[in-house]
Amino acid sequence: TAGITQAPTSQILAAGRSMTLRCTQDMRHNAMYWYRQDLGLGLRLIHYSNTAGTTGKGEVPDGYSVSRANTDDFPLTLASAVPSQTSVYFCASSDPSGSGTDTQYFGPGTRLTVL
Amino acid sequence: KNQVEQSPQSLIILEGKNCTLQCNYTVSPFSNLRWYKQDTGRGPVSLTIMTFSENTKSNGRYTATLDADTKQSSLHITASQLSDSASYICVVPNSGGYQKVTFGIGTKLQVIP
Repeated sequence: TAGITQAPTSQILAAGRSMTLRCTQDMRHNAMYWYRQDLGLGLRLIHYSNTAGTTGKGEVPDGYSVSRANTDDFPLTLASAVPSQTSVYFCASSDPSGSGTDTQYFGPGTRLTVL
Repeated sequence: KNQVEQSPQSLIILEGKNCTLQCNYTVSPFSNLRWYKQDTGRGPVSLTIMTFSENTKSNGRYTATLDADTKQSSLHITASQLSDSASYICVVPNSGGYQKVTFGIGTKLQVIP
């Protein structure tokens, strides 16, 4: 199985432009997440979704939006990109057991540069 | 605010040698701690999870320990291989729900021949 795929692999974007980062999983996991990873910082949660049709805000949600129309897809949209959104973005999914011990499976990441 | 601190920030060791990575956390109440391995240019992959009742757990050449009293965990790598070169990230769930976890910055390990 492919697990989690992300697209594009990398992108250079002009400030003010919009962009959607795509994420698809084939594990039928209920929960999905978007993180950003910046040098010198741990991964930070942007948005999450517990199940299709629901989304929630993470630690750094400003400037980003998500949707969860179905179980498999969880796109992340930057409506008007700014240079501070330059980062590596990881999508992840998990099958929550309710005990808090579920494993998150990560995609390969999208490297975004906003100029 | 939950904090996860890892040390050292980076480490270079010779192939075949052992090493130990450290993780300190502040979250309370504690439920579990997970170690991830992140190869360069890839997403993190779970190595092991430690629950509050576990002191030691091994996964091949990786052995994790947990001291819930001092809020410390370590990851010991035995007989290192070149493929162990990666960042090792410690992760602890916050008390506000399973979605919210705190990631450490990671320890960047380089194994050289």
